Amino acid sequence: DVKVTQSSRYLVKRTGEKVFLECVQDMDHENMFWYRQDPGLGLRLIYFSYDVKMKEKGDIPEGYSVSREKKERFSLILESASTNQTSMYLCASLPGLNTEAFFGQGTRLTVV
Amino acid sequence: GENVEQHPSTLSVQEGDSAVIKCTYSDSASNYFPWYKQELGKRPQLIIDIRSNVGEKKDQRIAVTLNKTAKHFSLHITETQPEDSAVYFCAASGAGTALIFGKGTTLSVSS
Repeated sequence: DVKVTQSSRYLVKRTGEKVFLECVQDMDHENMFWYRQDPGLGLRLIYFSYDVKMKEKGDIPEGYSVSREKKERFSLILESASTNQTSMYLCASLPGLNTEAFFGQGTRLTVV
Repeated sequence: GENVEQHPSTLSVQEGDSAVIKCTYSDSASNYFPWYKQELGKRPQLIIDIRSNVGEKKDQRIAVTLNKTAKHFSLHITETQPEDSAVYFCAASGAGTALIFGKGTTLSVSS
């Protein structure tokens, strides 16, 4: 079974803090994605990575950055957290493009 | 970039009825169209997918159809059961492009 693990299930952070969300997969997948999920807006793509040290902007990259130093780990960074970044964040891992996405359990981030 | 529109946003059916969810996509280069089911409090999971060289695919009570000319694909669930209640997402991707999702459809099946 593919395992995609996000470091935290729930997080509460203060406005202006730098926030790190971690995602680890154990199947040697090339592709990793970060989405945020908001009611009525579905899953919106923030950033994705096709390989180590590679990153591509998704549809809503503003206010976020990412890091992929090792193949199994993809980190999402909120440089200066704001209340409009309160959301559910989902990481996904794919063995190749146009294949099944395996999701982590999600991190519900609240910025106060 | 790719844009995926999904309708309806909510769908209520009686147990045993059929349910249909429709999606359109904008990028004619997209060639992979999966459907995900997300139960309350859980992560999305793939239930069926279709590639652009196929017009229809079936798996027990679930089927997906694809009309490439119209850039339109649909999920069909027959003989719905209460455990089919969930949020369903369609998505699209192509060569070198990321997986883009629709906004989701909340399906409620009442017994």
